[in-house]
Amino acid sequence: GQQLNQSPQSMFIQEGEDVSMNCTSSSIFNTWLWYKQEPGEGPVLLIALYKAGELTSNGRLTAQFGITRKDSFLNISASIPSDVGIYFCAGVPPTTASKLTFGTGTRLQVTL
Amino acid sequence: DVKVTQSSRYLVKRTGEKVFLECVQDMDHENMFWYRQDPGLGLRLIYFSYDVKMKEKGDIPEGYSVSREKKERFSLILESASTNQTSMYLCASTRAGQGAGEQYFGPGTRLTVT
Repeated sequence: GQQLNQSPQSMFIQEGEDVSMNCTSSSIFNTWLWYKQEPGEGPVLLIALYKAGELTSNGRLTAQFGITRKDSFLNISASIPSDVGIYFCAGVPPTTASKLTFGTGTRLQVTL
Repeated sequence: DVKVTQSSRYLVKRTGEKVFLECVQDMDHENMFWYRQDPGLGLRLIYFSYDVKMKEKGDIPEGYSVSREKKERFSLILESASTNQTSMYLCASTRAGQGAGEQYFGPGTRLTVT
């Protein structure tokens, strides 16, 4: 199946830095979601976006549903060591009610 | 909080064995999914179910079957395990209707087939 293009693939940052990652597609989506997965665990839902242009925050995390409906962005402010993990975007296409298309993931490493 | 539990965190089976992976959710969700996750290949959908006794094939159903006899429980079955089925298996659930895309995942089962 299709995978969404997610960038960067990996990031090494220092504690306190801000982080930005994005997800793009050649087709439109009705919903965008962002998940975080820690080693050996299942993905945990961070943010869900339902409208083009929507900007939603969850603590230090902010995500946006792109106006074209073909992309989404996730920002993490003032990173801390527990932000380490793999971040996945996911989208719900117009043709399916709940099946997700996943991004390739961004691996985040935070150094002290 | 939504809770999705999987029967085992780690499992080691021999080639040819029949393997059952069970998933239970406590939020009365209509939809349930089974994925496998492999390095470099991401999350791939094996099967999903929109209702009790309903099932639909995902992207990679070969070698797998599923069972959904009760709304809260969705089982993945490997009829005859093979080494290429060594993987991390993830179950997820979501409600129907508004917010149907918000899938909630279990902790995963890391299956090794020797």
